[in-house]
Amino acid sequence: GNSVTQMEGPVTLSEEAFLTINCTYTATGYPSLFWYVQYPGEGLQLLLKATKADDKGSNKGFEATYRKETTSFHLEKGSVQVSDSAVYFCALSDRDGNKLVFGAGTILRVKS
Amino acid sequence: GAVVSQHPSRVICKSGTSVKIECRSLDFQATTMFWYRQFPKKSLMLMATSNEGSKATYEQGVEKDKFLINHASLTLSTLTVTSAHPEDSSFYICSALHQETQYFGPGTRLLVL
Repeated sequence: GNSVTQMEGPVTLSEEAFLTINCTYTATGYPSLFWYVQYPGEGLQLLLKATKADDKGSNKGFEATYRKETTSFHLEKGSVQVSDSAVYFCALSDRDGNKLVFGAGTILRVKS
Repeated sequence: GAVVSQHPSRVICKSGTSVKIECRSLDFQATTMFWYRQFPKKSLMLMATSNEGSKATYEQGVEKDKFLINHASLTLSTLTVTSAHPEDSSFYICSALHQETQYFGPGTRLLVL
């Protein structure tokens, strides 16, 4: 079945550091890939998405590229801020029913 | 665009009572909505898929008689936790499908005493 594996956290960085959160997936067919962010006590917000191989999703300085050859969708940001502290979920969507399969989530803590 | 709301944001109830949670898509119509449950420091667990005008599809292990889902319009789905018990205390999150992407509500914190 489909699955998503994320790097374990928490990830602790200083402000303005470079961020990478690894995400790999296993899927049949050609899923869409997503990154969602969850701030404390809130629901999930869509951060970015990519629907086919080599697509790059980007938003608010975050980027991720759909790599079919390595089945990866790593999240990157060049310079993190304290306000980026949150939990980040990588997910894939099977096109049959659009159900999401989530990774376990990665806690990011950014120190000033 | 693609805003989803939930109501209430927090609810405390006594054991044995029922609680209804509403999920609304505010600026789009959603034929399909999803209900999730999230335990502390864990990922989301899909409970059921809610389709407008038809019965919900429940995931394995989710009691359909305990978690009643109604999707009576293209902008509203409700989840009713019937005869709630302390083990039902959790964070419940809904999402609505729009252009093949799920947009999530802010969540409802349920505490059953």
